[in-house]
Amino acid sequence: QSVLTQPPSASGTPGQRVTISCSGSSSNIGRDSVYWYRQLPGTAPKLLMYWSDQRPSGVPDRFSGSKSGASASLAISGLRSDDEADYYCATWDDRLKSVVFGGGTKLTVL
Amino acid sequence: EVQLVQSGGGLEQPGGSLRLSCEASGFTFGTYWMNWVRQAPGKGPEWVANIRQDGNEIYYLASVKGRFTISRDNARNSLYLQMNSLRVEDTAVYYCTTLWDLGVGALDYWGQGSLVTVSS
Repeated sequence: QSVLTQPPSASGTPGQRVTISCSGSSSNIGRDSVYWYRQLPGTAPKLLMYWSDQRPSGVPDRFSGSKSGASASLAISGLRSDDEADYYCATWDDRLKSVVFGGGTKLTVL
Repeated sequence: EVQLVQSGGGLEQPGGSLRLSCEASGFTFGTYWMNWVRQAPGKGPEWVANIRQDGNEIYYLASVKGRFTISRDNARNSLYLQMNSLRVEDTAVYYCTTLWDLGVGALDYWGQGSLVTVSS
């Protein structure tokens, strides 16, 4: 069981807006920034969002992140078929003294 | 071009040892925290360990503490993971990565992955 809780799946149709949640606690999300990674099969994860709401170079503004208390979310607007991937949240847990990942959300574009 | 080129890994019996290496190029390796992250078949990523730029601050996943040792050689632009007392549950693809210690354009860097299989 992951320290950070994500829904195992999410779906939407092209053009729709989808939100993926990530729930933690006061020792992780409640005190530190959240990072979001996207992973395609057979490839390494790739950073999608940093410091909870900042996009790395090259990530389109269709992707946005937010954090409130011990929860965070990733929103994808204007959904496209190539957004299909696994999405993971991650942060530092100060009680465990370790990086923790969510269990991942598989996004399907219907 | 930024590259993290990994070597090592393979098949080992339970209780055995393996060493992973990761050689960096195209960025100033010595200015980054470095991490090892693993991914078991069909599972999500799991962080294993990280090491500060000067090597004097290190953290481990609880289940590998005392068995794995992360180290770095900034003169050789290299990161290492010595894995002892291997268990079947250590089977995974292991990646070296800057994770969220970000480079130009807030980019993260990852190696190509090294498959470690622990089986009798």
